[in-house]
Amino acid sequence: GAGVSQSPSNKVTEKGKDVELRCDPISGHTALYWYRQSLGQGLEFLIYFQGNSAPDKSGLPSDRFSAERTGGSVSTLTIQRTQQEDSAVYLCASSFGTQETQYFGPGTRLLVL
Amino acid sequence: AQSVTQLGSHVSVSEGALVLLRCNYSSSVPPYLFWYVQYPNQGLQLLLKYTSAATLVKGINGFEAEFKKSETSFHLTKPSAHMSDAAEYFCAVRTAGNNRKLIWGLGTSLAVNP
Repeated sequence: GAGVSQSPSNKVTEKGKDVELRCDPISGHTALYWYRQSLGQGLEFLIYFQGNSAPDKSGLPSDRFSAERTGGSVSTLTIQRTQQEDSAVYLCASSFGTQETQYFGPGTRLLVL
Repeated sequence: AQSVTQLGSHVSVSEGALVLLRCNYSSSVPPYLFWYVQYPNQGLQLLLKYTSAATLVKGINGFEAEFKKSETSFHLTKPSAHMSDAAEYFCAVRTAGNNRKLIWGLGTSLAVNP
């Protein structure tokens, strides 16, 4: 594709519900990253994929957060039993291997009521 | 461990004036450094990057940054600000581990006054 795409662009959910956020990386990019952008906390790393494997999950805030990647392409970030503190913009980035520049999608703005 | 500090969460300049956005880093290994820009309601866009080649790096939209190892700095500059430069600017350092994740500064919001 022309760039990294993410869906939905906006998501409003009630506390306690599960949400799934999707990322379509640039075609051919083997590395995929999820970051979270919160007010007052800046950007923080969540998880990294190389192919379908996630060698680094160290940034996931709790066990309510999980992510998978299939076919070396699309990735889904799942948040179970959402809490109000999960409200943030979730950004996905991809790169052609880990040596290269990361290209970002437009993000999913999540609001937990 | 690596870290990034951006001095000044808000910077305001007049149109045509010099833009200077400060970034200091901490890294135990030679760093790879990046500046990204985020326009309102848009995603992050790479402005420029330092990857251990030339210390003065030129980016898009007339921006440049100079890597100064002795000062552990990577400040972003532009000689003459345009109204369209108003945005949030983020400095980041890439980790030395296998995953090459980015560690971010908190960002600097640039306002350009007419």
